[in-house]
Amino acid sequence: DIQMTQSPSSLSASVGDRVTITCQASQDISNYLNWYQQKPGKAPKLLIYDASNLETGVPSRFSGSGSGTDFTFTISSLQPEDIATYYCQQYDNLLITFGQGTRLEIK
Amino acid sequence: QLQLQESGPGLVKPSETLSLTCTVSGGSISSSSYYWGWIRQPPGKGLEWIGSIYYSGSTYYNPSLKSRVTISVDTSKNQFSLKLSSVTAADTAVYYCASLKRIVGANPFDYWGQGTLVTVSS
Repeated sequence: DIQMTQSPSSLSASVGDRVTITCQASQDISNYLNWYQQKPGKAPKLLIYDASNLETGVPSRFSGSGSGTDFTFTISSLQPEDIATYYCQQYDNLLITFGQGTRLEIK
Repeated sequence: QLQLQESGPGLVKPSETLSLTCTVSGGSISSSSYYWGWIRQPPGKGLEWIGSIYYSGSTYYNPSLKSRVTISVDTSKNQFSLKLSSVTAADTAVYYCASLKRIVGANPFDYWGQGTLVTVSS
């Protein structure tokens, strides 16, 4: 099974800050990596697919990069509505694993 | 735009079988553009993929749950279902159904149901 190591597990930042979350796969997954945002009591929302493609309707302050085993998710300028938990998710031959999640708070 | 809705009992006794159904609207479950999946989230914890199915009936399961999980599809009702046997308290979670968009690459979960809490307790 492919394991996903996401870090940090929690993060506190100020409005306007640049925020970065990383996800490392236990083996090469090419660019088969997606990022989701989950607000309390809500279902996750797809933000980024295939490591770097912005889902339709998602603000451009969100971005993703990486390939192989190392991936990065960035919010270029943190907004109050971005407070949520963020998850990476890999896809390998129809077997799927999520990262542990990063809880993002406003400082 | 797809809409997905989970339904089923909110309380299941230990050792029994958890059964949930996901009803898809706004599109056909027989579309070649999608797989269909189940994901769960224990209270206060992260997301765990349970398994996925294609409209043809091909299934893909989380190896850690494979021995207890059955996912099936009913194209006539535009529904797919989850059965999880021999449940314990550790299976208490919010269960989500979702669509996986079949694209070249990472087949993301692009539409989600609202989730349903299933508690395992006697």
